[in-house]
Amino acid sequence: GESVGLHLPTLSVQEGDNSIINCAYSNSASDYFIWYKQESGKGPQFIIDIRSNMDKRQGQRVTVLLNKTVKHLSLQIAATQPGDSAVYFCAENVADSSYKLIFGSGTRLLVRP
Amino acid sequence: NAGVTQTPKFQVLKTGQSMTLQCAQDMNHNSMYWYRQDPGMGLRLIYYSASEGTTDKGEVPNGYNVSRLNKREFSLRLESAAPSQTSVYFCASSERVRAGGNQPQHFGDGTRLSIL
Repeated sequence: GESVGLHLPTLSVQEGDNSIINCAYSNSASDYFIWYKQESGKGPQFIIDIRSNMDKRQGQRVTVLLNKTVKHLSLQIAATQPGDSAVYFCAENVADSSYKLIFGSGTRLLVRP
Repeated sequence: NAGVTQTPKFQVLKTGQSMTLQCAQDMNHNSMYWYRQDPGMGLRLIYYSASEGTTDKGEVPNGYNVSRLNKREFSLRLESAAPSQTSVYFCASSERVRAGGNQPQHFGDGTRLSIL
């Protein structure tokens, strides 16, 4: 409900450490997953995506892991920087005839200097 | 390259007033979307347009209408605003809906709408 949404899970990490943000997705028929970063007052910004025929994909300082058996997605950020502080959302796309991107409720990442 | 541009950035309305939110993209994308985001929550799809000339309902369409004016522009209209529609509205676009593989959606910076 509303009260759950107002209290985002928060991950606090030391600058330079690695961060791992987790997401449980809801639909076993989902075949495409995206991680977005949202800074205060801004729209979601695409970070990385992965299709269901893969279990790992790497970008610049980020890695996404997909475990379809337990419907779990994670985002790993290497050498976390102050500029990484934001809310991170995972989103899943259900493989049906209509397009639908379902967003998770988000995790707030705080980077301590 | 501006990407997705939304206007206005902020708006305050009284209950019962009407309002159209504008969205334009310059990436030549076929598909466009409207979402709302309530405090501390993820985004919920209101309407989408898979291609020019088509629109479909999303998860929370009640109280809204949309128009895909051309390939670049997709507007969202509130005919009679209600306090429950106080939210931040995001427009997004993507290369195509399906067929051959999904592509990520790219978002504008939102319209912050308050209904008194």
